[in-house]
Formats: sequence, structure tokens, C-alpha cells
Amino acid sequence: DTEVTQTPKHLVMGMTNKKSLKCEQHMGHRAMYWYKQKAKKPPELMFVYSYEKLSINESVPSRFSPECPNSSLLNLHLHALQPEDSALYLCASSLRTSGPNNEQFFGPGTRLTVL
Amino acid sequence: QKEVEQDPGPLSVPEGAIVSLNCTYSNSAFQYFMWYRQYSRKGPELLMYTYSSGNKEDGRFTAQVDKSSKYISLFIRDSQPSDSATYLCAMSSGLTGTASKLTFGTGTRLQVTL
Repeated sequence: DTEVTQTPKHLVMGMTNKKSLKCEQHMGHRAMYWYKQKAKKPPELMFVYSYEKLSINESVPSRFSPECPNSSLLNLHLHALQPEDSALYLCASSLRTSGPNNEQFFGPGTRLTVL
Repeated sequence: QKEVEQDPGPLSVPEGAIVSLNCTYSNSAFQYFMWYRQYSRKGPELLMYTYSSGNKEDGRFTAQVDKSSKYISLFIRDSQPSDSATYLCAMSSGLTGTASKLTFGTGTRLQVTL
């Protein structure tokens, strides 16, 4: 199984809503990532979890709250988002964070629209 | 100057052509190099991963790395309309503490025409 899955595929939410994005991998990877991607731009790193601990937060606003319940699952909790937060949210995983075997595998993404 | 430069295209080629996609980089700490293919509104798909200078081949794809020139390439042989997508180069230093960060090129949009 070389797949990263993400749910939901699409999400529309109002600025006062609370929602969560979910990511899952069963490749035994110990690093998981959240990225945000705007149209015609490369992905931008948001958070990195290594061995279920948050290791990198790229100065992301607190309205985005990541959670790693176990080594296979990664959540992104959303609250009080702004319309400019509308984007494709990508989850990725890698076996390691350093050295060889640090290549990242991406999920299909969740397309988020904030009204 | 960006750490990774990639021509955004679009690049239009006829079916069956050999496609050459390139990235240059300025950070000599980059040791690991990836090429991703991304179809519209989908997640990036890892095509090639290399960490040494030279060539690596996988089917119709060949990745080339020249660390002395800080230049990487992806060649696609016998291009097909299904290869039409955006191709992103990405690289990392592989060092503890910074290894998790991929630095992406802007992506090259490729169109393979019938």
C-alpha cells in the first residue's frame, strides 16, 4: 500500500464554522506533513510531524490546528477561517525526515472553499 | 533570487516527442532531488527521486542531476497526451532539522498534443 488518503475531497465552510481535514497512511512512514497550495503555485509547507511530535510549524495562523493521534493519522482542525484560506490542502508522508528515504508521498488533497 | 528556478512554460510538444524539463538551484546543501507530476486539481505524484549526480531511469522517464552545475533535468521519452500536467522539481538538504523541508520549483506546465 503506497497511498496517502485524504478526506473529505471537497469542503465548503463559512467563516464561523469548525471543520477538520483527515489524512491517513499505512506505509509505516514516521513523518507526516500538511501543505497548502494555491492555484498555479507550488505547495507551501505548513506543519511537519516526526514520530507523532510537531517538529515544524511554518508560522501558520492559530486558526489552523494540527493533530497527530497516531503514526498513521494526521488531522488539521479549522476554525474561523478567512476567504483567503481557500486552497488545496495536501497531506504528505515520508519514511524519514533526514537522509535517504526522505522522499515525500502526497495525498490527493482536500479542496477547501471558505465563504 | 529564488533558491530553485524552473521555467513555468507552458511547454507544448507533439505526441512522441522527447521532453526536457529543467531546474537550477543555488543552495549547494541540496542533496536530494525529486520530480513530481501534478494533474489539475490533484495532489502531486512522485515520479523520480535521486540523491547522486548522474542519471536514473524509470520507464520513459530519466532524471539527471549535475551537482557541480546545480542543475537537474527530467526527460520524458515518447511523450503521450496523458503526460500533460504540471511538473514540479523539489529538493532538500537531508540534514536533521531542515530535512523535512522541500524547496519546490514553480512548476512547468506541459501540454502534449495529438
